[in-house]
Amino acid sequence: EAGVAQSPRYKIIEKRQSVAFWCNPISGHATLYWYQQILGQGPKLLIQFQNNGVVDDSQLPKDRFSAERLKGVDSTLKIQPAKLEDSAVYLCASSLAPPIGAFFGQGTRLTVV
Amino acid sequence: DQQVKQNSPSLSVQEGRISILNCDYTNSMFDYFLWYKKYPAEGPTFLISISSIKDKNEDGRFTVFLNKSAKHLSLHIVPSQPGDSAVYFCAANQAGTALIFGKGTTLSVSS
Repeated sequence: EAGVAQSPRYKIIEKRQSVAFWCNPISGHATLYWYQQILGQGPKLLIQFQNNGVVDDSQLPKDRFSAERLKGVDSTLKIQPAKLEDSAVYLCASSLAPPIGAFFGQGTRLTVV
Repeated sequence: DQQVKQNSPSLSVQEGRISILNCDYTNSMFDYFLWYKKYPAEGPTFLISISSIKDKNEDGRFTVFLNKSAKHLSLHIVPSQPGDSAVYFCAANQAGTALIFGKGTTLSVSS
């Protein structure tokens, strides 16, 4: 069974630039999550999708972050414009149904300079 | 407000001995508790879980204990192996909601 795929693995951008991350969840998984992990911290939920609907985006900084999940499969997370404090690893995860069996991708390490 | 707390940033044990990682939580409504293991440059991988209706779950060398009255859970690894060296995250949630993670504990197992 293929795992959660994320790209790119690494990204370096200047502040005020925009960036987008892509995630392909495990086939058949209805629930998809984006987490932000800052160095030395645990993953923090940004947004949770159930199929292509948003379940929880209460911690998503909506003035600069946006996410969508087209056709209930792949998802993209965008930051525009980026700030220095957005430097983190962005993790995508999926599950059949929360909470058991949330599988994570390898993450995208973003550095904002 | 940190709902899941791992107060020990690091733990060092010798190979063959027991590793005990601790986790405290504040939300009495949590239904599930999970432990994830993370190696550098990889995403977290699921290790073991426990439902709030149980007080113990065992899977090979890994056992999770839940004390609901104390809002405390622990992960026991016996015997510890060098390959267990990683960051361990405690996570919890209510049914239907996303996982809330602690800050993690870095386990180092020396041979």
